[in-house]
Amino acid sequence: DGGITQSPKYLFRKEGQNVTLSCEQNLNHDAMYWYRQDPGQGLRLIYYSQIVNDFQKGDIAEGYSVSREKKESFPLTVTSAQKNPTAFYLCASSIEGTTDTQYFGPGTRLTVL
Amino acid sequence: SQQGEEDPQALSIQEGENATMNCSYKTSINNLQWYRQNSGRGLVHLILIRSNEREKHSGRLRVTLDTSKKSSSLLITASRAADTASYFCATDPGGSYIPTFGRGTSLIVHP
Repeated sequence: DGGITQSPKYLFRKEGQNVTLSCEQNLNHDAMYWYRQDPGQGLRLIYYSQIVNDFQKGDIAEGYSVSREKKESFPLTVTSAQKNPTAFYLCASSIEGTTDTQYFGPGTRLTVL
Repeated sequence: SQQGEEDPQALSIQEGENATMNCSYKTSINNLQWYRQNSGRGLVHLILIRSNEREKHSGRLRVTLDTSKKSSSLLITASRAADTASYFCATDPGGSYIPTFGRGTSLIVHP
């Protein structure tokens, strides 16, 4: 997990609330990603960013929003529009423009009460 | 649907045995990667094999790639209880630099 951190590790949310998951990296990577992991479904891409102030929707972006104001940071907001947000969320980074190694954070487990 | 699909979904072996898991994919790729995930943790990169390579080794890991069959295998030799984890393959379908992950193989190594 070295070089990329996520917080908090566990997060509980009431229905109707927005929550923001933090992701920070000190690897000087241009590209950052957010994935959602549900049991038996592997990783699904929510959003990705190739460069500061730019980001693209992934396969399951509905109900989520992101920002990329700094190279080091790529926070994910889970909005109340996301109907089934309980999941394990993983942030990753990589050298921009390549398909080389992704470095993952330790993850945030979000539970909606 | 997933680009890469691992097989088997679950594998249970004794310590010291070899573990083999496979990954099949659908479209052409530039490279294929294998990752490991311990329960409740982030993924850790194990090995990358490029489309012009057929085999790669890293310690007790051996990865093969057969582009004609669109498949890859990960062999862990002399497994240890600490190898217990889920293993995922990731491909870059159609040259996209966004890797696509399979559902993973859950490996349990009994001491």
